[in-house]
Amino acid sequence: GAGVSQTPSNKVTEKGKYVELRCDPISGHTALYWYRQSLGQGPEFLIYFQGTGAADDSGLPNDRFFAVRPEGSVSTLKIQRTERGDSAVYLCASSPADRSYGYTFGSGTRLTVV
Amino acid sequence: EDQVTQSPEALRLQEGESSSLNCSYTVSGLRGLFWYRQDPGKGPEFLFTLYSAGEEKEKERLKATLTKKESFLHITAPKPEDSATYLCAVVFGSARQLTFGSGTQLTVLP
Repeated sequence: GAGVSQTPSNKVTEKGKYVELRCDPISGHTALYWYRQSLGQGPEFLIYFQGTGAADDSGLPNDRFFAVRPEGSVSTLKIQRTERGDSAVYLCASSPADRSYGYTFGSGTRLTVV
Repeated sequence: EDQVTQSPEALRLQEGESSSLNCSYTVSGLRGLFWYRQDPGKGPEFLFTLYSAGEEKEKERLKATLTKKESFLHITAPKPEDSATYLCAVVFGSARQLTFGSGTQLTVLP
């Protein structure tokens, strides 16, 4: 596609529920990143995929967070047993190849846990 | 601890009033410093990448410079449409991901 697409744009969920956030990167981009941004802060790294595999998941805050990219394109960020502290904007970015710094971000999914 | 610090947190300028935003970093093995612009409700939009001290890049009213400790984003004769949050980020060491600062919220008044 023309840009990085993230769905849904907004998600409200109840504490304890499971949510999935989707990222559709730019066609041909092999690297995909998930970030989390809280109000008034810069994006915080969560996980990086090169192809289908998670090359670096050191930013995932705990084992409630998990992400997949089964076919090397679309990625899903999964959050189990959501907590109010998970409320943030979740951003996805993609880049054309490893060692390339042309990161293009999507508009994000605003997650609110009530 | 590796850090990226941006200042000021917020800046209000009159249209045409030039100024600079600062990004200081304390990381080992800098491999690139990035400037992004972020509008409300949108993802960061790429502006510049700088790789080595002394490097400069320009785009319209914006000019980014890099030293061994910090980067500046100079805004010349800003317009109201330049109002946004400006984010600085670095890639360092063996990491592949960007590490961001907290941003500078710029408001340009007509």
